[in-house]
Amino acid sequence: DAGVTQSPTHLIKTRGQQVTLRCSPKSGHDTVSWYQQALGQGPQFIFQYYEEEERQRGNFPDRFSGHQFPNYSSELNVNALLLGDSALYLCASRLRGHYEQYFGPGTRLTVT
Amino acid sequence: SQQGEEDPQALSIQEGENATMNCSYKTSINNLQWYRQNSGRGLVHLILIRSNEREKHSGRLRVTLDTSKKSSSLLITASRAADTASYFCATDAQGNNNDMRFGAGTRLTVKP
Repeated sequence: DAGVTQSPTHLIKTRGQQVTLRCSPKSGHDTVSWYQQALGQGPQFIFQYYEEEERQRGNFPDRFSGHQFPNYSSELNVNALLLGDSALYLCASRLRGHYEQYFGPGTRLTVT
Repeated sequence: SQQGEEDPQALSIQEGENATMNCSYKTSINNLQWYRQNSGRGLVHLILIRSNEREKHSGRLRVTLDTSKKSSSLLITASRAADTASYFCATDAQGNNNDMRFGAGTRLTVKP
């Protein structure tokens, strides 16, 4: 039973560029959430997807957008990258109605 | 914004000793969860305690919840070097499980 997978593992981008991160949820899970974790901080909620729609959003600008596909996998897109977007981006999945989330290993994004 | 705040920020103990970490939060919750993170990797779910529970055990872990004080504690008994990690509490902000709020974490070091 595969857990949550994320790709790529590491990514280096330049200011102003755009990036797409990918996540495949744990088998049987239908809800995907994305988090941003800056160095030395806890994860910050970006948004959550269920039934291919954004259900809840944290305090992040519109430069952050996402998508969920019919197979429940998800993408996180960030436009016009800023230096401050450098962080570990975590994807978490769960089964709707359950509280426990399963996290992927994360994508380390560095913006130079 | 952060919902939970862990205390202490860092804790260093010897193998075999007990480790206690505390978490305080601000708004009413449905449940509180504790997660572990090793070296900036993905988070691992440890235990969930519901708002109507006061104490819960899982192996060497003991979690308490005091909703009147809006606080929780995580006790790790008979610690091992492998317990070295960052520990985070997470709450569902405003009773909305779509939005999990994490604290900044406690960095635990267990010396062999």
